[in-house]
Amino acid sequence: GNSVTQMEGPVTLSEEAFLTINCTYTATGYPSLFWYVQYPGEGLQLLLKATKADDKGSNKGFEATYRKETTSFHLEKGSVQVSDSAVYFCALSGVGGSNYKLTFGKGTLLTVNP
Amino acid sequence: GAVVSQHPSWVICKSGTSVKIECRSLDFQATTMFWYRQFPKQSLMLMATSNEGSKATYEQGVEKDKFLINHASLTLSTLTVTSAHPEDSSFYICSARDRQLDQPQHFGDGTRLSIL
Repeated sequence: GNSVTQMEGPVTLSEEAFLTINCTYTATGYPSLFWYVQYPGEGLQLLLKATKADDKGSNKGFEATYRKETTSFHLEKGSVQVSDSAVYFCALSGVGGSNYKLTFGKGTLLTVNP
Repeated sequence: GAVVSQHPSWVICKSGTSVKIECRSLDFQATTMFWYRQFPKQSLMLMATSNEGSKATYEQGVEKDKFLINHASLTLSTLTVTSAHPEDSSFYICSARDRQLDQPQHFGDGTRLSIL
């Protein structure tokens, strides 16, 4: 079955530090990959996505590249801000048919201090 | 962009009460909606997949008689927690898939349920 393993937190950084949150996956076929962000007390927001190998998803300064050879989709940001403090979830979904279920990693809590 | 509205955002009620949570897609038609449960500091656990006009498909270990799901229209799905008890207290999140687009799922803001 499908699974997602992501770096366990919590991660605490100072403002303007470089961020990497590792994510690897196991899946049959060619899944689509996502990063979602959850701010305290809220639902999930799609941060970025990639649908095929070597695609790079990017949004709000965050980037992640779909690496099929290493089955990874690591999230990076060059300079984090206090407002980036949230829980980040890596996820994958199947393709075609009726399989639009998302499989989530356990989430990584990021705290950015001023 | 697409928006999913979930209501109520917070509910506190006595043990034994049944609680209904609504999930609406505001500007798109959702053939499929998903219901998740999230425990503190944990990931989302998929409870069931709801398809418009048909019975929901529940994940293993989820009591279908406890968590009643109705998806009567292309814009509304409801989750009813029947005879709720303190162990049902949790954060419930719905999501909806836009029939015009393959992905992604659009998420509601969640409902915090507290059973006293």
